[in-house]
Amino acid sequence: AQSVTQLDSQVPVFEEAPVELRCNYSSSVSVYLFWYVQYPNQGLQLLLKYLSGSTLVESINGFEAEFNKSQTSFHLRKPSVHISDTAEYFCAVCRGGSQGNLIFGKGTKLSVKP
Amino acid sequence: DAGVIQSPRHEVTEMGQEVTLRCKPISGHNSLFWYRQTMMRGLELLIYFNNNVPIDDSGMPEDRFSAKMPNASFSTLKIQPSEPRDSAVYFCASSRAGTGGLDEQFFGPGTRLTVL
Repeated sequence: AQSVTQLDSQVPVFEEAPVELRCNYSSSVSVYLFWYVQYPNQGLQLLLKYLSGSTLVESINGFEAEFNKSQTSFHLRKPSVHISDTAEYFCAVCRGGSQGNLIFGKGTKLSVKP
Repeated sequence: DAGVIQSPRHEVTEMGQEVTLRCKPISGHNSLFWYRQTMMRGLELLIYFNNNVPIDDSGMPEDRFSAKMPNASFSTLKIQPSEPRDSAVYFCASSRAGTGGLDEQFFGPGTRLTVL
């Protein structure tokens, strides 16, 4: 069975500081990996995804994540955060060959302080 | 496109009452997902449909929960009778993914359900 572990439930950082949100998954088969972001009182939005190819994927707002098969990780990073990045971030895995249903981690709340 | 539409946005009801949550997916999307989000359990997949057919309902907590998708533009999630432990935010999501597809899931704004 697949599972996703987000090691930090809350991450407070100061504006313009770097941040890393950790995500580890367990699966015995190939997987596809996603990061979703949830702003307050909204639904989830796709931030970035890894399906194949380059193990480093980027979003349009400066986040990046690297697929590391040996460490079964897909950590999310940003070199300099903004107040507007305050949100909850969810890592998700989809098993290769499945019909697109995602298994989500429990989320990490990123709080950016001025 | 208006995105995924859910109604109502908020629902407060008393234990034992029937609750019906509604979802209109994005036009052209052929997969629809119902999720439940709570502080304790995080985001859980309840059921998903492909081309209006339920594919996996293993996440539905018990027989009090039922979901239907009578056509490509409408789905309902019903709880009868409701219990306080059903209090949560319920999200509907849709995607273009068919069998083996992995298109992005687009989430609605959610329905916040409170059962007193």
